[in-house]
Amino acid sequence: DADVTQTPRNRITKTGKRIMLECSQTKGHDRMYWYRQDPGLGLRLIYYSFDVKDINKGEISDGYSVSRQAQAKFSLSLESAIPNQTALYFCATRGTGNNQPQHFGDGTRLSIL
Amino acid sequence: QKEVEQDPGPLSVPEGAIVSLNCTYSNSAFQYFMWYRQYSRKGPELLMYTYSSGNKEDGRFTAQVDKSSKYISLFIRDSQPSDSATYLCAMSEISGGYNKLIFGAGTRLAVHP
Repeated sequence: DADVTQTPRNRITKTGKRIMLECSQTKGHDRMYWYRQDPGLGLRLIYYSFDVKDINKGEISDGYSVSRQAQAKFSLSLESAIPNQTALYFCATRGTGNNQPQHFGDGTRLSIL
Repeated sequence: QKEVEQDPGPLSVPEGAIVSLNCTYSNSAFQYFMWYRQYSRKGPELLMYTYSSGNKEDGRFTAQVDKSSKYISLFIRDSQPSDSATYLCAMSEISGGYNKLIFGAGTRLAVHP
């Protein structure tokens, strides 16, 4: 079983709809991240969380919100989806300590029509 | 100007070739340097992790960091078709004790038999 699981893997929806992407992890990590990946732009940080009560905005948080329901679960919401939010979305986790790398899920491919 | 620049490719090489992948960056505070490999429809997976300047070798892979030139490289020896993927460089500085990763856009590599 994957250590970082994202659901759904693919989603097509319409402009204006509310969408939730979910991430769960079995690594026991406190730190969790949401990124989006666009061609030519690489991965950009949307939100990150260092524990259930600590949530922080990344560089492109406008139009998104998050919820850290438990240490193992971190969800990303688009309250009213727009076409330029069409992208690949990745969740990542990281252990504490400066030399710990981030571990990624396999992503959600989101298309907004 | 982006903080991290990476040639998107694509780079096409014959099996057995030596591959050189590179990134340049502008932020002299970056101290941790990573290379991630991303196969199609999968999340990035950590390939190499280095701190500060110097070389690090792991099997067929060598990561090189030149902080004076703000330039990092990944060399792949005896390249194999299974190395065909997108390679992402990533960097971080210690900011308030939290390491936020800045990614390059990724270089697509194809190794043909």
